Amino acid sequence: AQTVTQSQPEMSVQEAETVTLSCTYDTSESDYYLFWYKQPPSRQMILVIRQEAYKQQNATENRFSVNFQKAAKSFSLKISDSQLGDAAMYFCAYRYTNAGKSTFGDGTTLTVKP
Amino acid sequence: SAVISQKPSRDICQRGTSLTIQCQVDSQVTMMFWYRQQPGQSLTLIATANQGSEATYESGFVIDKFPISRPNLTFSTLTVSNMSPEDSSIYLCSVLKLADSYNEQFFGPGTRLTVL
Repeated sequence: AQTVTQSQPEMSVQEAETVTLSCTYDTSESDYYLFWYKQPPSRQMILVIRQEAYKQQNATENRFSVNFQKAAKSFSLKISDSQLGDAAMYFCAYRYTNAGKSTFGDGTTLTVKP
Repeated sequence: SAVISQKPSRDICQRGTSLTIQCQVDSQVTMMFWYRQQPGQSLTLIATANQGSEATYESGFVIDKFPISRPNLTFSTLTVSNMSPEDSSIYLCSVLKLADSYNEQFFGPGTRLTVL
């Protein structure tokens, strides 16, 4: 079974600084999808960024980028120029197929200090 | 995108009773899921809601306890039956919607359930 591990229950970053959230996963598949989701306090979960395993290039979305290391099964999220609005719980997720269920990590709570 | 609404947004119930949660999406979607999430914790998939057929349950979840319906492509219900305090949690509806050959996952606002 696929597993997703987030080893950092909590992280903090100073406003305008950069922070990296870690995620590792276990799978025997060669093609799959990886995601980072953001869940602000008492608000809906939203997609931050996704990565298709067959793509070697790391995904980027504005201030958010990933470091995808397929051989190491590692998928970290880098947030640059952190803003107060980035404070949330971040979940790493794995999906084997395009139309299947996802497996979520335990989450990392990110605090942004002004 | 997909806009998901859930009713009720929260409820306080007595043990032994049942609660039905509704999930309505503003457009047709590929798949619908029901998750459970304790505050500050990860999501646990309860089941995949299948249109016109029985839901597919994950290990540890059974139809008698969590009956699910999905009569069409945009609506589903989850019932939490014979509730106990251990059922207190946030229940999330989630969908996959196809866009440019890729299915993006969207989440509803959740239903916060407290069982006394």
